[in-house]
Amino acid sequence: SAVISQKPSRDICQRGTSLTIQCQVDSQVTMMFWYRQQPGQSLTLIATANQGSEATYESGFVIDKFPISRPNLTFSTLTVSNMSPEDSSIYLCSALPYSSGEEDEQFFGPGTRLTVL
Amino acid sequence: LAKTTQPISMDSYEGQEVNITCSHNNIATNDYITWYQQFPSQGPRFIIQGYKTKVTNEVASLFIPADRKSSTLSLPRVSLSDTAVYYCLVVSYSGAGSYQLTFGKGTKLSVIP
Repeated sequence: SAVISQKPSRDICQRGTSLTIQCQVDSQVTMMFWYRQQPGQSLTLIATANQGSEATYESGFVIDKFPISRPNLTFSTLTVSNMSPEDSSIYLCSALPYSSGEEDEQFFGPGTRLTVL
Repeated sequence: LAKTTQPISMDSYEGQEVNITCSHNNIATNDYITWYQQFPSQGPRFIIQGYKTKVTNEVASLFIPADRKSSTLSLPRVSLSDTAVYYCLVVSYSGAGSYQLTFGKGTKLSVIP
């Protein structure tokens, strides 16, 4: 299993600014992911955070807007750049302890609620 | 990329069995089906995962027919604390740590006393 914490838990930001969200896992994990969830909606995968290499982004998400770092096996950051009110959402980090395709239990952080004014 | 469809909402009385079905018509051969539970202001929590036939754990069962185009999450004897949103997720793993993760829109289950 894995316990995941995120910082900050919530923030209110001005348009045009950037916010970096931190994700810390209590154990080494193979895979880490970043999701976005609009209130009352489902989860949309933003990217896979790869340790030691560039993140893999899903269609509709680009590195300039959502730069991601993963310096080691327990930590990742997501930056929401040049924010607009449309970026207001909940951002969730998740981790997969194993990468075998057979034990795909993702553990999720509590989320970061972002409001852009 | 597998697309999933599930009912938007369901109501059930306490003590009843609840079955939530998810359709994933274009599921690929190596894809897995996973179900998550989410309470308000929390991240999703893993419930169960399966590839085919039936899987059972201490909290739920997952039924997957032979064609794998759908799956049914079964919650036995629900209680008020089972009121949550339940998500179906098709996991595509292509090796070397490459995943495609497609969440359904979620089913809001309301358990009534």
